Amino acid sequence: QKEVEQDPGPLSVPEGAIVSLNCTYSNSAFQYFMWYRQYSRKGPELLMYTYSSGNKEDGRFTAQVDKSSKYISLFIRDSQPSDSATYLCAMSAGAQKLVFGQGTRLTINP
Amino acid sequence: DSGVTQTPKHLITATGQRVTLRCSPRSGDLSVYWYQQSLDQGLQFLIQYYNGEERAKGNILERFSAQQFPDLHSELNLSSLELGDSALYFCASSVTGASTGELFFGEGSRLTVL
Repeated sequence: QKEVEQDPGPLSVPEGAIVSLNCTYSNSAFQYFMWYRQYSRKGPELLMYTYSSGNKEDGRFTAQVDKSSKYISLFIRDSQPSDSATYLCAMSAGAQKLVFGQGTRLTINP
Repeated sequence: DSGVTQTPKHLITATGQRVTLRCSPRSGDLSVYWYQQSLDQGLQFLIQYYNGEERAKGNILERFSAQQFPDLHSELNLSSLELGDSALYFCASSVTGASTGELFFGEGSRLTVL
């Protein structure tokens, strides 16, 4: 079983829709949770960063962490075609390596 | 532009050969990480160096080795290449040695083994 599970999709939604992306994990030591966005032929770039449980909002993006359920989510409101990319969740226990999910490929259709 | 530079961008070689991938981290970053990305495995951590010393090791094959030089650039050496080694290899850098902050990724080196 992988430490971090993420549905690879692909996920295709119309412009303006609310997108929900999720990851589950098995290591209860994880405390640092991140979402990276990767455009085609580019390296991943950090989108959202959360420490421990709770919500964090940045513009149209909201990250949620539920440590009791070992479940994290990324919501994108008013999705735009420019949001089309692969979204990777990532998490770490601090001193150890950052573990990535497989990534969900998202397409926003105009 | 993340500030992390990787060369070469594309590389095509044959089975059994050896290649070297190079990474220059962002100015001021002491940690360098190497990741392998393939369609079926996602982004897999290979190895991390911090200020010239190996800090953490992931699922790196014995045929692969890396080092970080005094000027902080890093090289990933892949030898006795197999078809399954075809993948995108990413280098990332960060200021600290702990995986608690942002990693800045380069654009990757695409390796094709024929």
